[in-house]
Amino acid sequence: QKEVEQDPGPLSVPEGAIVSLNCTYSNSAFQYFMWYRQYSRKGPELLMYTYSSGNKEDGRFTAQVDKSSKYISLFIRDSQPSDSATYLCAMSALVAQKLVFGQGTRLTINP
Amino acid sequence: SAVISQKPSRDICQRGTSLTIQCQVDSQVTMMFWYRQQPGQSLTLIATANQGSEATYESGFVIDKFPISRPNLTFSTLTVSNMSPEDSSIYLCSYKTVRTDTQYFGPGTRLTVL
Repeated sequence: QKEVEQDPGPLSVPEGAIVSLNCTYSNSAFQYFMWYRQYSRKGPELLMYTYSSGNKEDGRFTAQVDKSSKYISLFIRDSQPSDSATYLCAMSALVAQKLVFGQGTRLTINP
Repeated sequence: SAVISQKPSRDICQRGTSLTIQCQVDSQVTMMFWYRQQPGQSLTLIATANQGSEATYESGFVIDKFPISRPNLTFSTLTVSNMSPEDSSIYLCSYKTVRTDTQYFGPGTRLTVL
């Protein structure tokens, strides 16, 4: 079993829709949770970073962490074609430790 | 965040040869890392590049195959040695500073081995 599970998709939604992306994990030591966005032929770009359970909002993006269920989510409101990319969840047990990534979900927003 | 760059951005190499990838950050950073992203797969940590000492390798990765240098706080290299087609992948470096709790990634080096 992988430490971090993420549905690879692909996921295709119409412009303006709310997108929900999810990851589950098995290692209860994970404390730091991140979402990266990766455009084709580019490096991952940090979108959201959370430490505690609960919600964190940044513009159209909301990251949600439920440590009791070992489940994290990223919500994108008012999705735009420019949001089309692969979204990777990542997590670590300690601040300086390695990041463990999910497989990534390929998202397409259709105009 | 600091600007991070990699050279080369892509390369096509012959089996049995070696390639050295450079990673440059425009300011001093605490830690630098090297990841591999195989086709259709997620990122896997190869090693942590330690300034002034040997890199710390993850399980499944060895120094003879992936020698790493970090001569100062802004620069690191990863060499992929004695390449085979299975080494075809994207290689990414990242960094972390004392002021950040997470990592920032370079643009990646796309390697194809024939």
